[in-house]
Amino acid sequence: GAVVSQHPSRVICKSGTSVKIECRSLDFQATTMFWYRQFPKQSLMLMATSNEGSKATYEQGVEKDKFLINHASLTLSTLTVTSAHPEDSSFYICSAKTAGGTDTQYFGPGTRLTVL
Amino acid sequence: AQSVTQLGSHVSVSEGALVLLRCNYSSSVPPYLFWYVQYPNQGLQLLLKYTTGATLVKGINGFEAEFKKSETSFHLTKPSAHMSDAAEYFCAVSDRNWGKLQFGAGTQVVVTP
Repeated sequence: GAVVSQHPSRVICKSGTSVKIECRSLDFQATTMFWYRQFPKQSLMLMATSNEGSKATYEQGVEKDKFLINHASLTLSTLTVTSAHPEDSSFYICSAKTAGGTDTQYFGPGTRLTVL
Repeated sequence: AQSVTQLGSHVSVSEGALVLLRCNYSSSVPPYLFWYVQYPNQGLQLLLKYTTGATLVKGINGFEAEFKKSETSFHLTKPSAHMSDAAEYFCAVSDRNWGKLQFGAGTQVVVTP
């Protein structure tokens, strides 16, 4: 149980285009989803927290107009990188957790974004 | 504010030897503590967690960790390393209200034959 999927696993795009990444909880309802980015050889940095049906809460320094997050249902959150630039190239990982419980976050397999 | 410090960005162990990964945290309130493992180009897999109760926590793949409040530590151990243990390990702390995870910098484990 507690499986989280991400799609796509890899994406290459041209500078200036937008890319959408999906995060799905496959066998549980995720009231909260988190989006992280990870640069090579570095730790995960939290970008934003999204709760189903409400606006995402962004961490300091993360541009909300550039990284659009939608958490439309209890099993799906999307991250759209708008007008992507090479510096947005990174590994994006989502996680999901249920309400209350043990606070465990279950992580997706990640999406490798390369912006040319 | 919370923070996590992992001592040693790289650890090399021989197959069959003890694995010890150190993690210290700072938190104004008792936190939840986690260890995650990440294999190349993959997401994170939960190894174990401490929330309340017994301070010695057993996880998957033979790993365990002990919460020591007096030392603000949550070190991860495995008695006998296996080649498949080669990966990146992250210690993380979350507050009990919002559930946001603060990760340590990670420790890369290399297992030599």
